[in-house]
Amino acid sequence: LAKTTQPISMDSYEGQEVNITCSHNNIATNDYITWYQQFPSQGPRFIIQGYKTKVTNEVASLFIPADRKSSTLSLPRVSLSDTAVYYCLVGDMEGNFNKFYFGSGTKLNVKP
Amino acid sequence: NAGVTQTPKFQVLKTGQSMTLQCAQDMNHEYMSWYRQDPGMGLRLIHYSVGAGITDQGEVPNGYNVSRSTTEDFPLRLLSAAPSQTSVYFCASRPDRGLVYGYTFGSGTRLTVV
Repeated sequence: LAKTTQPISMDSYEGQEVNITCSHNNIATNDYITWYQQFPSQGPRFIIQGYKTKVTNEVASLFIPADRKSSTLSLPRVSLSDTAVYYCLVGDMEGNFNKFYFGSGTKLNVKP
Repeated sequence: NAGVTQTPKFQVLKTGQSMTLQCAQDMNHEYMSWYRQDPGMGLRLIHYSVGAGITDQGEVPNGYNVSRSTTEDFPLRLLSAAPSQTSVYFCASRPDRGLVYGYTFGSGTRLTVV
């Protein structure tokens, strides 16, 4: 299973765009990339998932380069309520795909 | 309300006691997992299940048992509680090959072992 590496923490200000990059050098052909958000005292919440190129939903965008060895979660115009821990997960959707492992995540602190 | 329900929300155990953390989902999800989260840390996978009657170990299975007799329920049993098992426990479920849905997590059980 591919291991992921993320920055431990990031600071931003309200209204800015935030980009959180995740490294996954050993990603396998069948692996998908999934991002979760976790607020204190709550379970993680699914944000976005992708395989290659770009995926966008109402919350975020996910950019995946051609070699897929990294991915970037982009949060447009963050607010104070986006302060949370963001996890990048890599896993395949067949066979062992239920074995998604969470790392330590990136703690995003949005300041006024 | 549809979702993942965990009970209890809080529990204090004495070392050596056993207990079962309950997890139920009403979304007809095939896949369910148990994670633990220690203070300031990420989540670690304890056990998971890909369907009724099928379970397997994750990263940190020692000291825990699971069973999956129905699609809805996935209880986690602590056999003999130890202080090292003090943690927040999250149960999660996801649909079969849900490419765009990911996991739905419960609100967690905060366990303290003294």
